[in-house]
Order: sequence, then structure tokens, then C-alpha cells
Amino acid sequence: SQQGEEDPQALSIQEGENATMNCSYKTSINNLQWYRQNSGRGLVHLILIRSNEREKHSGRLRVTLDTSKKSSSLLITASRAADTASYFCATDGRGWNNNDMRFGAGTRLTVKP
Amino acid sequence: EAQVTQNPRYLITVTGKKLTVTCSQNMNHEYMSWYRQDPGLGLRQIYYSMNVEVTDKGDVPEGYKVSRKEKRNFPLILESPSPNQTSLYFCASSHKGGGYTFGSGTRLTVV
Repeated sequence: SQQGEEDPQALSIQEGENATMNCSYKTSINNLQWYRQNSGRGLVHLILIRSNEREKHSGRLRVTLDTSKKSSSLLITASRAADTASYFCATDGRGWNNNDMRFGAGTRLTVKP
Repeated sequence: EAQVTQNPRYLITVTGKKLTVTCSQNMNHEYMSWYRQDPGLGLRQIYYSMNVEVTDKGDVPEGYKVSRKEKRNFPLILESPSPNQTSLYFCASSHKGGGYTFGSGTRLTVV
């Protein structure tokens, strides 16, 4: 079964605005990962956040994790047209530390120039 | 260059004709997985391997087989393909506790 569920399913913003995507999951995790996919291509790993971390940054990306609410958010600041893509969260769905990652259905982000 | 290589990229086949999609990684990763991606359903895991000779079913294993005889290779076998296996397939690999590196995908059409 899918472990992570992203929200919203689709998001459309103007270039320069911030984009926030959310992910909820059901069982305990060891780590949560965010990926980007450009249309029909392979997924690209963005950030990994471990269960004992609350926030992580990478360039214009900021990820937060709230294990009490079983949720995570991905913030893209000062978005660019090139950020247009689908974004997926993934969790190690069985709760074991074995990197068996399960993905949600994704958020489709459109950044208008 | 560190990468996951899938072949073929595109394949059209007929119902019942056995096929194999190959996957190879050059990063000495222990973990490898196969996913299928269908519109509106995201990525669903087919099979998963923690290391050589260790494989486990994912969420949608029916109609698929895998093997992990060498660390670098993780082929996906469809013994008797059916139209409902028409999909975009991805192979991915990782070290324990690390992010996955994905292949470029195989678009399979079964007619």
C-alpha cells in the first residue's frame, strides 16, 4: 500500500512565489525522502530527513518533519519555471531500517513565468 | 558516471510473450527496487531486494518475477505479459539509509 500521500494533488503558482507541498504517512518511519520528476523521466532525489530530525535545508528547498502528526512539508522558495515538475514523498513503509521506500501519488507543481 | 541503466527504454509486445527488462547499477548499492507508474496512482513497488539472493514482494508483484544473482543486476521478468501490465517501469537502487537513484524508465505496451 502507498505509505505517503501528498497534498495538494496539483499546485499552480507564479514565478518568484513560494510553493509548499505536504505529505502525510501512516506508520512509523526511519526516514522520509522527497523526489522530483520531470514529465515521464526518472525521479531525482532531493532531500532525505531522518525521523530524529525536524528540519532540513538544501538550497531553495526546506523540508520539515513532524513525527507526532506523521506529516512532512516541502517548501520551495522563490520558485522558477524550471521547478515545474511532480514532487513525491517516500517513506520506508514497513518501519524497518531497510530503505524499502514507498511513494505517494505526487503533487504536480506548475510555475508560470 | 554513477547511474542506473535500464533496457529497453521502449517496448511494444504481444500478450503472453515472455520478456525481461534489465537493470544494472554501478554504485555497489545493496538495495534495489522495481516500481511501476500509472496515471493517478503514483509509483507502486513491484519487488524489492536488500542484497544478493534476497528479494521480497512489494505491493503489486502479481505477474512479475525478479532475481538478484549479482549485486549490480536486478532484472524484471514478465513471464506472460497482459495488457494491464502496460505501464512505465522504473528501477532504482540505494545504499542503506540513502536516497534512491532511479533509472530513466522503460515504457512498456502490451497489446
